Amino acid sequence: ETGVTQTPRHLVMGMTNKKSLKCEQHLGHNAMYWYKQSAKKPLELMFVYNFKEQTENNSVPSRFSPECPNSSHLFLHLHTLQPEDSALYLCASSQAPSYNEQFFGPGTRLTVL
Amino acid sequence: AQSVTQLDSQVPVFEEAPVELRCNYSSSVSVYLFWYVQYPNQGLQLLLKYLSGSTLVKGINGFEAEFNKSQTSFHLRKPSVHISDTAEYFCAVSDRFDTSYGKLTFGQGTILTVHP
Repeated sequence: ETGVTQTPRHLVMGMTNKKSLKCEQHLGHNAMYWYKQSAKKPLELMFVYNFKEQTENNSVPSRFSPECPNSSHLFLHLHTLQPEDSALYLCASSQAPSYNEQFFGPGTRLTVL
Repeated sequence: AQSVTQLDSQVPVFEEAPVELRCNYSSSVSVYLFWYVQYPNQGLQLLLKYLSGSTLVKGINGFEAEFNKSQTSFHLRKPSVHISDTAEYFCAVSDRFDTSYGKLTFGQGTILTVHP
C-alpha cells in the first residue's frame, strides 16, 4: 500500500450504532488530519494530530472521537450520529515543515439513517 | 481569519478549449495559496502552490495559476483541457506565519466538466 488509505470506503449506520473509520499513511509523515466534506460546503477541518498529539479540535461534537495510536494510524470513532453527519470523511497527512502540502486518502462515504 | 471564494460552482468546457477557474481570498495576514484537485471517487491531490517569488506558478498536468496581491486572486488556468481534467478543483489558503500544522481554509470547489 502506498500513500494514504482509508477503510471502509462506504459505511451505512443507524443513529444508535457505534462504528470506527480507519486511516493509515505510508509516507512517514508526522501530522494527520480528519476533514468532513459535505455537498456544496467547503471542506471542514475536524481534528489535527501532530506527533500523535491532538493539536486541533475544531468545535466538533463529542459524538465524533478521534484516536491516534501512532504517527501512521488515525481513527475516528462514531456514536449516536445524526443524519446531518452524512458526508465524505477525508483523512490527510503531511510532514513538517511543509504542513500545507497535504496528501489525502480516498475518503469514507458515511450515510446515517 | 481567512476566507476563500470560488466564483464559479460549475464550469463546462469543450475538449482542447482554454479554461480559467477563479479564486478570490480574504485575509488580514500574508498567505500561502494552493489549488487541489479531486477526481471522482478519490481524495484531494495538490495541483500547485504559491509560497513566494514569481507570481506565476506552474503545477502538474499543464495547469498554472497567477497570484495577484492587489486583487487578492489566485486564478487557475490551462490553455487546452482534456477529458481527463474533469474533476472538482479547490482553492485553499493558509496563514504564512502560522506554521504549527497545516491550517488550510478551502473554497467551496469548482466542478470542471470537459465535453468531447
